[in-house]
Amino acid sequence: AQKVTQAQTEISVVEKEDVTLDCVYETRDTTYYLFWYKQPPSGELVFLIRRNSFDEQNEISGRYSWNFQKSTSSFNFTITASQVVDSAVYFCALSEAKQGAQKLVFGQGTRLTINP
Amino acid sequence: DAGVIQSPRHEVTEMGQEVTLRCKPISGHNSLFWYRQTMMRGLELLIYFNNNVPIDDSGMPEDRFSAKMPNASFSTLKIQPSEPRDSAVYFCASSATGGLPNEQFFGPGTRLTVL
Repeated sequence: AQKVTQAQTEISVVEKEDVTLDCVYETRDTTYYLFWYKQPPSGELVFLIRRNSFDEQNEISGRYSWNFQKSTSSFNFTITASQVVDSAVYFCALSEAKQGAQKLVFGQGTRLTINP
Repeated sequence: DAGVIQSPRHEVTEMGQEVTLRCKPISGHNSLFWYRQTMMRGLELLIYFNNNVPIDDSGMPEDRFSAKMPNASFSTLKIQPSEPRDSAVYFCASSATGGLPNEQFFGPGTRLTVL
């Protein structure tokens, strides 16, 4: 069975600090997809990134970066120079990689608070 | 372009009443998902549809829950009879099925309170 673990329930940092959110996953599939979503205080979930299991290159998008380590089954998310607007709950998710398979298994989420 | 639309945004009802949640996916998307979010259980997939056909309903808690998708632009999630433990935020999401898992676009959610 697929499982996603986000061991950090809550993180609180001061603005401008760098912060890393951990994500560890379990799957028996050899191919799969990993996702990160953001849930700001307004409640909706916002897609951040999708990564397939064949692509272990790290990705950077502005202040956001993702580190995929297949050897340790981890897909960690780093925010550089954090800002108050980054305060949200962040979810890591896992999906099978086969035609028509769309089911996402979410981790429990990490509540990130950026203090001014 | 409008995102996923859910109604109502908030619903307060009494135990035993029927509740119907509605969702309009993004036009052109052919996969639709219903999720439930609670503090205790986090985000759980209840059911999803591809091309209006239910594909996986293993997350539906019990027979009190049912979901339909009569056409590509509308879906309902019904709880009958409702119970206090059904109180949660229910999200609908849609995605464009291009074969492999694509990003899902979430609606704003319906906050359900069953008294």
